[in-house]
Amino acid sequence: AQRVTQPEKLLSVFKGAPVELKCNYSYSGSPELFWYVQYSRQRLQLLLRHISRESIKGFTADLNKGETSFHLKKPFAQEEDSAMYYCALSKTSYDKVIFGPGTSLSVIP
Amino acid sequence: EAGVVQSPRYKIIEKKQPVAFWCNPISGHNTLYWYLQNLGQGPELLIRYENEEAVDDSQLPKDRFSAERLKGVDSTLKIQPAELGDSAVYLCASSSGSGGNNEQFFGPGTRLTVL
Repeated sequence: AQRVTQPEKLLSVFKGAPVELKCNYSYSGSPELFWYVQYSRQRLQLLLRHISRESIKGFTADLNKGETSFHLKKPFAQEEDSAMYYCALSKTSYDKVIFGPGTSLSVIP
Repeated sequence: EAGVVQSPRYKIIEKKQPVAFWCNPISGHNTLYWYLQNLGQGPELLIRYENEEAVDDSQLPKDRFSAERLKGVDSTLKIQPAELGDSAVYLCASSSGSGGNNEQFFGPGTRLTVL
């Protein structure tokens, strides 16, 4: 069965410092991977997906099939990045999405 | 555009009472999802609809939970009877599904408290 793990429940970094939110998955095939974000008092929303290979709000994520990881990175954290981040996996574009438990990021001014 | 609409936003009931949640997806979105989110956890899929057909309800506790999506637009999720452990946030999401695009757009959720 597919599974997504996010080892850190809480992550605190100082403004301007690099940030990395870890995500590992278990799936033998080639999944689609996503990062969803929920800012305070807002809805859960898509941040980025690996197939688009975009940088959104300065965030990037690289799929490492060898390590089955999809870590989210940003070189310089901003206060507005404070939010709950969920890594998610789908077997194909037509399959259900499985979410990880989430990491709460707090950027300290 | 309002996005995915859910009501009510909050609901407090006593155990053994019935409760229903309503969801209106984004116009034109054929795929609709109901998720359960417990405190400190990610969303867990309860049921997924493609138009009016439930294509994945394997995680729906069918002894007490039911859902419907008549006419393939709005959807209702019902719990009868509610138990203490059902206290959680119930999220509805929709996606267009066209071209394999499964980006999901979430509603604000309904926070259920069972006393």
